[in-house]
Amino acid sequence: AQSVTQLGSHVSVSEGALVLLRCNYSSSVPPYLFWYVQYPNQGLQLLLKYTTGATLVKGINGFEAEFKKSETSFHLTKPSAHMSDAAEYFCAVSKRPHFGNEKLTFGTGTRLTIIP
Amino acid sequence: EAGVAQSPRYKIIEKRQSVAFWCNPISGHATLYWYQQILGQGPKLLIQFQNNGVVDDSQLPKDRFSAERLKGVDSTLKIQPAKLEDSAVYLCASSLDTGTSKHNEQFFGPGTRLTVL
Repeated sequence: AQSVTQLGSHVSVSEGALVLLRCNYSSSVPPYLFWYVQYPNQGLQLLLKYTTGATLVKGINGFEAEFKKSETSFHLTKPSAHMSDAAEYFCAVSKRPHFGNEKLTFGTGTRLTIIP
Repeated sequence: EAGVAQSPRYKIIEKRQSVAFWCNPISGHATLYWYQQILGQGPKLLIQFQNNGVVDDSQLPKDRFSAERLKGVDSTLKIQPAKLEDSAVYLCASSLDTGTSKHNEQFFGPGTRLTVL
């Protein structure tokens, strides 16, 4: 079974400060890893994903995440927070296609607040 | 390109009533998903369709929830009868089935917020 743990249900950072949202996963097989963002009253939007290859992946809106197998982590970072980054962020894991269907298993989410 | 459409956006019902949600996926997307997102939790997969066949419904409470995708395009999710704990946002997502080992990105609709009183 796969699972995701997001440390910190709420994170507040000042505008211009570093954003760090933590995600640890558990998977018996090499996983695919994702970060999604959800703005109020909207669906989820894919920020970035790790499937294979380079372990540092860059996504939209200046976000990036690094897959660390030894730490089973996939933390999301952004060097300088903007007010528009305020949203809920979800980390998710799925099996690789040849291990089964690509069902996403989500973490419980982290609400990011930006302080002016 | 049009995104995933869902309706209604909001629904309020009393417990023991029935309710249905509708989803129209992105044109050409063979795979369709229904997720339940309870307040304060991440989305949980209820059912996955490939065309009009069910791939995974292991977490669907089949005593009260049902879903269909008869023509392999749009889909409906029904709850009958509803319970208080069914209050949640119901998200529909779709993906293109490339038939390869490449990951098929899921695109999400805006969701239907259900309140059961």
